[in-house]
Amino acid sequence: GNSVTQMEGPVTLSEEAFLTINCTYTATGYPSLFWYVQYPGEGLQLLLKATKADDKGSNKGFEATYRKETTSFHLEKGSVQVSDSAVYFCALHGSGNTGKLIFGQGTTLQVKP
Amino acid sequence: EAQVTQNPRYLITVTGKKLTVTCSQNMNHEYMSWYRQDPGLGLRQIYYSMNVEVTDKGDVPEGYKVSRKEKRNFPLILESPSPNQTSLYFCASSLRTLAHATNEKLFFGSGTQLSVL
Repeated sequence: GNSVTQMEGPVTLSEEAFLTINCTYTATGYPSLFWYVQYPGEGLQLLLKATKADDKGSNKGFEATYRKETTSFHLEKGSVQVSDSAVYFCALHGSGNTGKLIFGQGTTLQVKP
Repeated sequence: EAQVTQNPRYLITVTGKKLTVTCSQNMNHEYMSWYRQDPGLGLRQIYYSMNVEVTDKGDVPEGYKVSRKEKRNFPLILESPSPNQTSLYFCASSLRTLAHATNEKLFFGSGTQLSVL
């Protein structure tokens, strides 16, 4: 079945450091891929998405490229801020019609001043 | 303000005592869904609803019930809670399902932290 694997956290960075959070997936067909962010005490918010191979999703300085050849959707940001501290979830939507998202286990990012 | 509202935010209960977690959206969304979030497992879908009076099981439906009598409300019911249902629960909604529109976006509530003793 479909699945998503993210790198283990927590990830601790200094402000202005480069961020990469790895995400790989297993799916049949051509899934859509998403990154969601969860700030402390809040629900999940869509950060970016890509719906087909080689698409690049971007938002708030974050980017991720849908790589079908490596089944990956790594999240990157060139210069993180303290306000980026949150839990980041990679997710996919497969070919079914349930609207279900398959989530990775989440990666906690802590950015220190 | 467009939002998904869950209540309560925190709930501590005892094994076997029936409880309901409410979820309401003010965006006239057709699709609603419940997820539970557990450490190391991410979010897993419990139930979903395509529209009023249409509900179906997700990946982990055991021990839960839902109803969709009105478009805006989608309560999650635990008839006889057990400690393994201790979790963080999220309600989510979208205008239509992701299957029908790739531009669709899921809106999440702020979560309900449930502890079953």
